[in-house]
Amino acid sequence: AAGVIQSPRHLIKEKRETATLKCYPIPRHDTVYWYQQGPGQDPQFLISFYEKMQSDKGSIPDRFSAQQFSDYHSELNMSSLELGDSALYFCASSSPGQGGEGTQYFGPGTRLLVL
Amino acid sequence: KQEVTQIPAALSVPEGENLVLNCSFTDSAIYNLQWFRQDPGKGLTSLLLIQSSQREQTSGRLNASLDKSSGRSTLYIAASQPGDSATYLCAATIGGNMLTFGGGTRLMVKP
Repeated sequence: AAGVIQSPRHLIKEKRETATLKCYPIPRHDTVYWYQQGPGQDPQFLISFYEKMQSDKGSIPDRFSAQQFSDYHSELNMSSLELGDSALYFCASSSPGQGGEGTQYFGPGTRLLVL
Repeated sequence: KQEVTQIPAALSVPEGENLVLNCSFTDSAIYNLQWFRQDPGKGLTSLLLIQSSQREQTSGRLNASLDKSSGRSTLYIAASQPGDSATYLCAATIGGNMLTFGGGTRLMVKP
């Protein structure tokens, strides 16, 4: 079965640079979520989208922005990168109409290292 | 604010043992509770999801229960195997889409 796809899988950036992470949800899933997992920490919710509209916002820094496109894929844009942004970034998706009530399926993550 | 905690933080058992992982949450108004498995440096694999109206869910050797009134969920693993070694995370959904994760239990099953 198709899973959530994230690209790139690994990314190395310098401080103050910009990064764009991409997420392709499971086909026909309409809700996308972004989470950040720092070293040795729990995943922390950043932001979510339902039908291309932002639905919830968590602890996402102002330097970050995200959107969901007409084909339901989502991109997380990160600017003015800081060392503390080094983390594993997960995207998850859930099936139509279930939103927060349904199973969230996670992608393999993008490991971002900021030097 | 919803808080989710898991105990124990780490657990080491011999192969074949049955074991219970615990998860507690502070706000009983949850939509659902989900259990995940995470291997080191890897993604999250969904194991079981329990809706707020359900008491338990089973999948193979795994059984998860939910008691909203006491703010607890347990994950029962029967006949543990070395391949079960991983970090197990519980996460609650409340008032929207976001999952709030517990700190995880690092499980080691020794052959």
